[in-house]
Amino acid sequence: GAVVSQHPSWVICKSGTSVKIECRSLDFQATTMFWYRQFPKQSLMLMATSNEGSKATYEQGVEKDKFLINHASLTLSTLTVTSAHPEDSSFYICSARVGGLNEQFFGPGTRLTVL
Amino acid sequence: AQSVTQLGSHVSVSEGALVLLRCNYSSSVPPYLFWYVQYPNQGLQLLLKYTSAATLVKGINGFEAEFKKSETSFHLTKPSAHMSDAAEYFCAVSDWGGSQGNLIFGKGTKLSVKP
Repeated sequence: GAVVSQHPSWVICKSGTSVKIECRSLDFQATTMFWYRQFPKQSLMLMATSNEGSKATYEQGVEKDKFLINHASLTLSTLTVTSAHPEDSSFYICSARVGGLNEQFFGPGTRLTVL
Repeated sequence: AQSVTQLGSHVSVSEGALVLLRCNYSSSVPPYLFWYVQYPNQGLQLLLKYTSAATLVKGINGFEAEFKKSETSFHLTKPSAHMSDAAEYFCAVSDWGGSQGNLIFGKGTKLSVKP
């Protein structure tokens, strides 16, 4: 149980294009989903927290207009990197949490490479 | 504010030797503490967690960790290392009673296991 999937697992795009990453909780309803980015050989940095049906809460320094987060249902959250640039290349990981539990379940991550 | 410090960005042990990965935390509230493992190009897998119950926590794959409030530590140990244990390990702290249970990660420790 508690499986979280991400799609795609990797993506290569040209600079200036937009990329959408999906995060799904497969066997539970996630009241809260989290988006992290991880640069090579570094730790996970929280980008934003999203609750189903409401606007995401972004961490300081994360541009909300560049990283669009939609949490339209209890099993799906999407992260859209708009007008991607090479510096956006990173490993993006989502996690999901069931309301009332203090554990996050992580997806396998999406490797984004912007040329 | 909460923080996590992992001493040693890289630890190398021989197969069969004791594994000790260090984690110290800082928290103004009773913390929830977690250890995660990450294999290359994958998401995070929970090894174990401390949630104010027993101070000695047993996890998967033979790992365990002991919460020591007086030392503000939550070190991860395994009596006998296996080649398959080679991975990146992250310690994390959460203020579950506070902001939606956000996780604050340490910088990670890469474990290498020599034959």
